[in-house]
Amino acid sequence: GAVVSQHPSWVICKSGTSVKIECRSLDFQATTMFWYRQFPKQSLMLMATSNEGSKATYEQGVEKDKFLINHASLTLSTLTVTSAHPEDSSFYICSAQAGKDYEQYFGPGTRLTVT
Amino acid sequence: AQKITQTQPGMFVQEKEAVTLDCTYDTSDQSYGLFWYKQPSSGEMIFLIYQGSYDEQNATEGRYSLNFQKARKSANLVISASQLGDSAMYFCAMRVHAGGTSYGKLTFGQGTILTVHP
Repeated sequence: GAVVSQHPSWVICKSGTSVKIECRSLDFQATTMFWYRQFPKQSLMLMATSNEGSKATYEQGVEKDKFLINHASLTLSTLTVTSAHPEDSSFYICSAQAGKDYEQYFGPGTRLTVT
Repeated sequence: AQKITQTQPGMFVQEKEAVTLDCTYDTSDQSYGLFWYKQPSSGEMIFLIYQGSYDEQNATEGRYSLNFQKARKSANLVISASQLGDSAMYFCAMRVHAGGTSYGKLTFGQGTILTVHP
């Protein structure tokens, strides 16, 4: 149980285009989902927290107009990187929390390369 | 604010030996949870072990054990009988329990790259 999927697992896009990454909880309802960004050999950096049906809460320094997060249902959250640039190339990981559970369940991650 | 510190950027261990990965934390909250995750080169975050701040016994999960020393604010991970497949990046993380079903965000340490030699 407690499986989280991400799609796509990797994506290459041209500079200036937008990319949407999906995060789904497959066998539970996720009241809260989290989006992280990770550069090679570095730690995970929390970008934003999203609760179903409400606006995401962004961490300081994260551009909310560039990284659009939508948590439309209890099983799906999306991260859209708008007008992507090479510096947005990174590994994006989502995680989901189920109600009272203290644990976060992580997705397998999405590797984004912007050329 | 919470802070997690992992002071070992890289560790090497011989196969079948035990290894300890260090983690210290800082928080003024009384109720919190400590986690260890393994991240192999594929990138997935694999949950290893959890220790609650009020748990009196050290957590164990198979070959993994967490050496929890609350007064010293340390939560070291011990891997016994290392295997080649244990080579990965390991993250210590903490989450504060704000009350009821409310939890703070997960704060990660810098990570330690473990290499197991045959």
